[in-house]
Amino acid sequence: DSGVTQTPKHLITATGQRVTLRCSPRSGDLSVYWYQQSLDQGLQFLIQYYNGEERAKGNILERFSAQQFPDLHSELNLSSLELGDSALYFCASSARDGNTYEQYFGPGTRLTVT
Amino acid sequence: AQTVTQSQPEMSVQEAETVTLSCTYDTSENNYYLFWYKQPPSRQMILVIRQEAYKQQNATENRFSVNFQKAAKSFSLKISDSQLGDTAMYFCAFMKLFSSNTGKLIFGQGTTLQVKP
Repeated sequence: DSGVTQTPKHLITATGQRVTLRCSPRSGDLSVYWYQQSLDQGLQFLIQYYNGEERAKGNILERFSAQQFPDLHSELNLSSLELGDSALYFCASSARDGNTYEQYFGPGTRLTVT
Repeated sequence: AQTVTQSQPEMSVQEAETVTLSCTYDTSENNYYLFWYKQPPSRQMILVIRQEAYKQQNATENRFSVNFQKAAKSFSLKISDSQLGDTAMYFCAFMKLFSSNTGKLIFGQGTTLQVKP
């Protein structure tokens, strides 16, 4: 158990819909990262937040957005869903005890768009 | 842009034997970290080992060790005394330091390792 929690574990929704994925980082971790794992694209970095502010952006679609709240939990919002958005979405956290570079992953949310 | 390549899509090894997974990367950066992550059938991503580019000494964690060849841009993972629980997909990952994108992990395509009894 990495200490990172993600909800829900599974999500099935229809094309065109909007969903929100939630992540709680390890206690004390200030950075949250979102990754997408799909068969086509492999594991891809989406976005990073540090202490409530966006720190880095990767290959994140405009239909996707994220935020980190004052209690440090983060949400990834996916809208106008397409079949190709079906994937495993991971959240990871880091930046505790000065060790900024090791990321600990949550169990993931499996999104299926039908 | 940095890229990470794992040229072995699948590998197998007998229990108790040693196996080496290959990874090469392409970067013009001098300051970076390299990682190996393990993803068992549960799909959880588990950090296996980390290597700082400025360190010449190869990292080791129990049965896991790396062979880091900076000039050749090679970062292989050796698993000794393989156990059934090592069956998983293994990902090599690169992280550039001291940039606006520090923290972004760039992953290879993965190598599926099966440990046979």
